[in-house]
Amino acid sequence: DIQMTQSPSSLSAFVGDRVTITCRASQSIDNFLNWYQQRPGKAPRLLIYGASTLQTGVPLRFSGSGSGTDFTLTISSLQPEDIATYYCQQSDGTLWTFGQGTKVEIK
Amino acid sequence: QVTLKESGPALVKPTQTLTLTCTLSGFSLRTTGVRVSWIRQPPGKALEWLGRIDWDDDKFYSTSLKTRLTISKDTSKNQVVLTLTNMDPADTATYYCAHILGGTADAFDIWGQGTMVTVSS
Repeated sequence: DIQMTQSPSSLSAFVGDRVTITCRASQSIDNFLNWYQQRPGKAPRLLIYGASTLQTGVPLRFSGSGSGTDFTLTISSLQPEDIATYYCQQSDGTLWTFGQGTKVEIK
Repeated sequence: QVTLKESGPALVKPTQTLTLTCTLSGFSLRTTGVRVSWIRQPPGKALEWLGRIDWDDDKFYSTSLKTRLTISKDTSKNQVVLTLTNMDPADTATYYCAHILGGTADAFDIWGQGTMVTVSS
């Protein structure tokens, strides 16, 4: 199975900061990479699919990039409502896997 | 409006079989291209993809659970059913069902609220 490794596992930043989360696949997955936000006690929410396509209704401060094995989720200006855990998920082939998550907190 | 809702027991004993139901609203597994997955999350831990079922009854399971897991559909009730045998305390988790975005994206665009299952004697 394809393993997904996220870094860092947690981060703390100020409101307004640019935040970057990385996700690495154990083998090439082309652009079959999705990002989710999970606020405490809530179901996950799709942010980005196909590595860089913003899901409808997601604020423009979120963006995704990458292909092959290395991917990035960027929040251009961190807001208080962005406090959450973020997960990447690969959808290459028929066996899908998630990363271990990155917890984002406000300083 | 597209929604999914999970239901089932909150508590099961070790070695028992878990059966969860995901009731679909606003869409149907009779429709070509529709796909639904099950995902779970142990308390304080990461999401784990379990498997998926497609409109044409194709099914795919995670490697780690494929010997214990069955996903089926009841189109007359517009439901997807998860069956997990030989439950263990390590299977304690919130179980989610999710609609899979159409096309080639293969992303979970709509999620149910989740149902918490505890495995304990």
